[in-house]
Amino acid sequence: DAGITQSPRYKITETGRQVTLMCHQTWSHSYMFWYRQDLGHGLRLIYYSAAADITDKGEVPDGYVVSRSKTENFPLTLESATRSQTSVYFCASSESAGGGGYTFGSGTRLTVV
Amino acid sequence: KQEVTQIPAALSVPEGENLVLNCSFTDSAIYNLQWFRQDPGKGLTSLLLIQSSQREQTSGRLNASLDKSSGRSTLYIAASQPGDSATYLCAVKTGANNLFFGTGTRLTVIP
Repeated sequence: DAGITQSPRYKITETGRQVTLMCHQTWSHSYMFWYRQDLGHGLRLIYYSAAADITDKGEVPDGYVVSRSKTENFPLTLESATRSQTSVYFCASSESAGGGGYTFGSGTRLTVV
Repeated sequence: KQEVTQIPAALSVPEGENLVLNCSFTDSAIYNLQWFRQDPGKGLTSLLLIQSSQREQTSGRLNASLDKSSGRSTLYIAASQPGDSATYLCAVKTGANNLFFGTGTRLTVIP
């Protein structure tokens, strides 16, 4: 199906483990983003990518790693998960730097125990 | 830094009423403004996208306006239905990676 898909939908992991959240889009949008949503903080940008092999930090990048070897995929890795990384993670894409709107995935609810 | 505020934070209306949600932003140098809907435990669904050069956009029962000079946008929902119950978020785009979200309005439409 066309669109932006995230997997897994739900994930429980233990403190200290590495976990990767997947994001795939079918539009060939140049820009992709990772946000986390927490009560009291709203949506905060973790990392973004302007194109394959081009990534940059957002507002809250510590503890996260991204890569973008292909335009359609933008995985987010928590290198050593901490309880403070328990959150809902949203991937988004946008066609252009200027007037393009954002399209969001359905989210991954991550719990770190 | 751009600040986006939405008023009211919560709104409860009887079914069939017309309603207005408000969004204000502090810096008028924006590319566009986007209204989203978020159901509990779900992702963000884009409702309307207004470019900085536009004054309004319409989709079905929804109409969004933009007054960039005053830093305001409104989302008008006509003939509200229980299925409209959700949290509504506005977001302004000021750069390639700069999307600033409002605080959200939680709407409840009572049957």
